[in-house]
Amino acid sequence: RKEVEQDPGPFNVPEGATVAFNCTYSNSASQSFFWYRQDCRKEPKLLMSVYSSGNEDGRFTAQLNRASQYISLLIRDSKLSDSATYLCVVSGSSASKIIFGSGTRLSIRP
Amino acid sequence: EAGVAQSPRYKIIEKRQSVAFWCNPISGHATLYWYQQILGQGPKLLIQFQNNGVVDDSQLPKDRFSAERLKGVDSTLKIQPAKLEDSAVYLCASSLQTSTDTQYFGPGTRLTVL
Repeated sequence: RKEVEQDPGPFNVPEGATVAFNCTYSNSASQSFFWYRQDCRKEPKLLMSVYSSGNEDGRFTAQLNRASQYISLLIRDSKLSDSATYLCVVSGSSASKIIFGSGTRLSIRP
Repeated sequence: EAGVAQSPRYKIIEKRQSVAFWCNPISGHATLYWYQQILGQGPKLLIQFQNNGVVDDSQLPKDRFSAERLKGVDSTLKIQPAKLEDSAVYLCASSLQTSTDTQYFGPGTRLTVL
């Protein structure tokens, strides 16, 4: 089993739709969780951190479920500009290995 | 604020040759990371420095890869000798203190090994 697993997609949804991705992790001691966005042939950029209480930033909501060991990302009212690959990132303590998932490709169609 | 700088942006070499990549992190960032990203995959951490000490190099193929961050600022990653499977984008990132902080990535170096 991979340490961090994501559905590779691609998810192809119409503009305005709501889409959700999950990311599962195997190390129950993991402490820090993030979602990064990567556009084609560009570097990853932080989308949002994921907190135990969940967090929301505009159209984006991230949740953490420690019991089932997954994090989720929900995008509401999707825009064409949301088309990208979404990478989940998991790490333990500050000195622990950082692991990126393989990414979920999202394509928004007009 | 200047971002993470990397050079070169592109490099084409033949197998068994050597290659070196350079990274200058954001000023004041203590932690520097080198990642390898193969097409269609997520970035894989090769090595993580905090100041000029190595925090994690467990996934660095040490028989051919080496990295240094001598003065705790910029860093170089070297491959010697290169193999075909080393073709990838090499990303450098930095964060203020630890891996719990946001990582800022450079544009990457796209390496092709023929």
